[in-house]
Amino acid sequence: NAGVMQNPRHLVRRRGQEARLRCSPMKGHSHVYWYRQLPEEGLKFMVYLQKENIIDESGMPKERFSAEFPKEGPSILRIQQVVRGDSAAYFCASSPTTGLSSYNEQFFGPGTRLTVL
Amino acid sequence: QQQVKQSPQSLIVQKGGISIINCAYENTAFDYFPWYQQFPGKGPALLIAIRPDVSEKKEGRFTISFNKSAKQFSLHIMDSQPGDSATYFCAARPGWNTGFQKLVFGTGTRLLVSP
Repeated sequence: NAGVMQNPRHLVRRRGQEARLRCSPMKGHSHVYWYRQLPEEGLKFMVYLQKENIIDESGMPKERFSAEFPKEGPSILRIQQVVRGDSAAYFCASSPTTGLSSYNEQFFGPGTRLTVL
Repeated sequence: QQQVKQSPQSLIVQKGGISIINCAYENTAFDYFPWYQQFPGKGPALLIAIRPDVSEKKEGRFTISFNKSAKQFSLHIMDSQPGDSATYFCAARPGWNTGFQKLVFGTGTRLLVSP
């Protein structure tokens, strides 16, 4: 059973370009989370999605960032007009369908390391 | 209130020694406390987790101690091995109806186990 897959693993963009990061959850998982990790820091929650729905985007910057998890295909984190401060590792995690009181583990992908020149 | 404070930032332990990493939180609505292990260039992997109704949980060489009244929890790695050298993150999850499912991470502890 393949784990969470992310691509690309490394992405280099110039200031002002767009970055698209893709995440394929584990088989059978319908919940996806995106986290950002700045150098020498912990992971910061960005957004939580289920198929075709954004459940919690409280950690997403208000501008330039968007996320989707379509009915078919991977989840996409999109960063428009990138700036140097967007340079970070972006991790995707997935978990199985969950009820309100369950403690389902989040399985993390290997991350995409974005460098903005 | 949504922060988890982790210490130390880095730790060097001799092979066979005990590694201890501490975390503290303020939000009493947190209801799940996992520890993640991350190797360079990899994503975090769940190591061990505890619920607040339990004061200790042990899995192999890894033990979580949880002090609900002090709002603190710690990871103990017994008989530390060079292969344990990694960055360790504590985390906490807000209870349901308060940001359920997202994890709040500590800033990480870089552990080096010397041979």
